[in-house]
Amino acid sequence: GAVVSQHPSRVICKSGTSVKIECRSLDFQATTMFWYRQFPKQSLMLMATSNEGSKATYEQGVEKDKFLINHASLTLSTLTVTSAHPEDSSFYICSAVDGDGSYNEQFFGPGTRLTVL
Amino acid sequence: EDQVTQSPEALRLQEGESSSLNCSYTVSGLRGLFWYRQDPGKGPEFLFTLYSAGEEKEKERLKATLTKKESFLHITAPKPEDSATYLCAVQAWLNQAGTALIFGKGTTLSVSS
Repeated sequence: GAVVSQHPSRVICKSGTSVKIECRSLDFQATTMFWYRQFPKQSLMLMATSNEGSKATYEQGVEKDKFLINHASLTLSTLTVTSAHPEDSSFYICSAVDGDGSYNEQFFGPGTRLTVL
Repeated sequence: EDQVTQSPEALRLQEGESSSLNCSYTVSGLRGLFWYRQDPGKGPEFLFTLYSAGEEKEKERLKATLTKKESFLHITAPKPEDSATYLCAVQAWLNQAGTALIFGKGTTLSVSS
């Protein structure tokens, strides 16, 4: 199956700093990537949809200025958590769609554990 | 509002004790229902996609079925390595931006030997 990587796998930062998380599709081109957040024992919650070459579409309640998404190429999307605070601590997971994104399955990255002190 | 509800939240089985996990959904026009396995601290691993009522898919000890309102993941003679959280998700359109998945909270399965 297709492989999606995320970097870093874990990050600890101080409150007020910014953190960038990378999501890469390793063996396919992904026009669309998704960013999810998962709190302990909760389901994955969609934060935003990232499309190559255009602005991301954010879900209701997700701050665009706080969670900056850049999908600069067909294999890379980045999520930057700006001015991070302890409540932003969570497990961030990206997924990528192989193909035109209609009925194709999503391939998930291994996730990034963010801890804000 | 599109919703996905999984039950039970947690399930403990003895090795070899078969059971089923439930995923009920309400969505305006089902595009696809997905089952994933998630191990602690890792991203979801794809298991199955079901598109229409009556469809069934199998993989080793797992079998997924779909009706118009719910899906079941049947686990036959489970082994300890089947212990994980099983996530159900339905596919919803996001206008022209593509599709997104709406996830349930998952069922955490523990299989003891």
